[in-house]
Amino acid sequence: DAGITQSPRHKVTETGTPVTLRCHQTENHRYMYWYRQDPGHGLRLIHYSYGVKDTDKGEVSDGYSVSRSKTEDFLLTLESATSSQTSVYFCAISEGTTFGELFFGEGSRLTVL
Amino acid sequence: SQQGEEDPQALSIQEGENATMNCSYKTSINNLQWYRQNSGRGLVHLILIRSNEREKHSGRLRVTLDTSKKSSSLLITASRAADTASYFCATDAGSGNTPLVFGKGTRLSVIA
Repeated sequence: DAGITQSPRHKVTETGTPVTLRCHQTENHRYMYWYRQDPGHGLRLIHYSYGVKDTDKGEVSDGYSVSRSKTEDFLLTLESATSSQTSVYFCAISEGTTFGELFFGEGSRLTVL
Repeated sequence: SQQGEEDPQALSIQEGENATMNCSYKTSINNLQWYRQNSGRGLVHLILIRSNEREKHSGRLRVTLDTSKKSSSLLITASRAADTASYFCATDAGSGNTPLVFGKGTRLSVIA
């Protein structure tokens, strides 16, 4: 299994609070991604990174920010969580290209009350 | 946005039968991939087929790609209860270095 660790795996928080999800990889892959998965929507890309300090927006980036200060870590931050951000968040990595094989973490389930 | 759409949304079959899932997409691609997701787990890559390939096999999996129809199919032969999962197709935009976009998935139930 690819070395991808997401933390926390489960979190319950209240509307308006900040939340940071962490993705840590041990594969030294260049590309890292954050997707969210919701019933009826499949997986949707939030943000991705193509190198340290290099990030770009995905399909559903509003309300989210990311940072990548080291190759191995990709942080997803919800500055002020809303109930619509209740979801399961998946981190993924790939090497070489953005359209190659993705390796996924086990997911972080976030509930915003 | 570019997106694969799987069909059917749900499929229920008996163990030993074959399962076929389809994926349609909108624009040209570099490759098309299929992933599997067991309940409560992350997605796992199954197979990648390039735009210049028409068919690919991996164990009990057979994937076909028809770029003229912008469609792909995933066939699982001699299904097992352990094949019960959701299956997703993923495509890129065909040009540039753009991330994969996933469909909504097909939920497969294999009944023992």
